Amino acid sequence: AAGVIQSPRHLIKEKRETATLKCYPIPRHDTVYWYQQGPGQDPQFLISFYEKMQSDKGSIPDRFSAQQFSDYHSELNMSSLELGDSALYFCASSLKTGGGSEQYFGPGTRLTVT
Amino acid sequence: KQEVTQIPAALSVPEGENLVLNCSFTDSAIYNLQWFRQDPGKGLTSLLLIQSSQREQTSGRLNASLDKSSGRSTLYIAASQPGDSATYLCAADRGSTLGRLYFGRGTQLTVWP
Repeated sequence: AAGVIQSPRHLIKEKRETATLKCYPIPRHDTVYWYQQGPGQDPQFLISFYEKMQSDKGSIPDRFSAQQFSDYHSELNMSSLELGDSALYFCASSLKTGGGSEQYFGPGTRLTVT
Repeated sequence: KQEVTQIPAALSVPEGENLVLNCSFTDSAIYNLQWFRQDPGKGLTSLLLIQSSQREQTSGRLNASLDKSSGRSTLYIAASQPGDSATYLCAADRGSTLGRLYFGRGTQLTVWP
């Protein structure tokens, strides 16, 4: 079965640079979530999109922005990178039902800021 | 905000033991409680999903239960194996269709032969 695809898998950037992370959800899934997991930390919710509209927003810095495109893939854009942005970034997708729905996670993008 | 706590933080057992991992959450108005497995530096693999109308789910040697009234979920692993060594995280939503998950810090499990 198709899974969530994230690219790149690894990314090394310098401080103050920009980075773009991509997520391709499971086909026919209509909701995408982004999470950030710092070293030794639990994943923290950043932002989500339902049918290409932002549906929820968590602790996402103003330096970050994201969108979901017509083909349902999503991109997380990160500018003015800081050392503290080094983390594992997960994308998850789901098919929204009347209540909550199971989220399927991608393998993550490991971002290292030097 | 949903607060999720997992006990114990780490567990080391010999192969063959039956294990119980605990998860507690503060907001009982949840839709879903998911258990995940994470290997070091890797992604999150969904193990079991318990919806609010359910009390437990089973998959192979894994059984997860949910008690919304007490704000608790347990993951039971039968006949543990070295390949079960990983960090196990539970995550709960907050009972809205927005769906964001709140994660616990996880239980780091080591099963030695």
